[in-house]
Amino acid sequence: AQSVSQHNHHVILSEAASLELGCNYSYGGTVNLFWYVQYPGQHLQLLLKYFSGDPLVKGIKGFEAEFIKSKFSFNLRKPSVQWSDTAEYFCAVNGGDMRFGAGTRLTVKP
Amino acid sequence: EAGVTQFPSHSVIEKGQTVTLRCDPISGHDNLYWYRRVMGKEIKFLLHFVKESKQDESGMPNNRFLAERTGGTYSTLKVQPAELEDSGVYFCASSQGLGDSRAKNIQYFGAGTRLSVL
Repeated sequence: AQSVSQHNHHVILSEAASLELGCNYSYGGTVNLFWYVQYPGQHLQLLLKYFSGDPLVKGIKGFEAEFIKSKFSFNLRKPSVQWSDTAEYFCAVNGGDMRFGAGTRLTVKP
Repeated sequence: EAGVTQFPSHSVIEKGQTVTLRCDPISGHDNLYWYRRVMGKEIKFLLHFVKESKQDESGMPNNRFLAERTGGTYSTLKVQPAELEDSGVYFCASSQGLGDSRAKNIQYFGAGTRLSVL
């Protein structure tokens, strides 16, 4: 069965710090990979996605993620976070059905 | 273009009562999904409609949950009778037909309905 693991439950950073959120999945077949973000009081929004091709994908708001097939990982990165990045981030894997990680809450201190 | 809308945004009921959640998908999206997130845990898949048909309901917890999508437009998820462990946030998502285009596999989410069973 598919599963998704996000390593960090809550991350606290200061503005301008670099961010990396870990995501690992277990699934043997071809998968589509996603990062979704939920800002306080808002709906889940797609941050970026990977279907095929270049394993380094760029999303909105300066986020990027790298698919490393050998490690079954799809980590999210941002070089310099802003206070407005405070949100909850969900990694998701779709190999037929969408499976989500438990989410990582990011708090950016001004 | 209107997004996925869910109603109500928050529902507080007592154990044993009935609650019906509604989801209006993006117009033209054949696929409609229900998910649930219990506090602090992962977002778990409940079921998937393709138009009015249940494609996969393997995630439905038990027979107290009934989902419908009459006419293939909006969907309702009824919990009857509600139990304490049903509390959580219920998300709905929709996507276009899967077809051959992976770009159509993107799911768009509503803001969720927070259900509190007391």
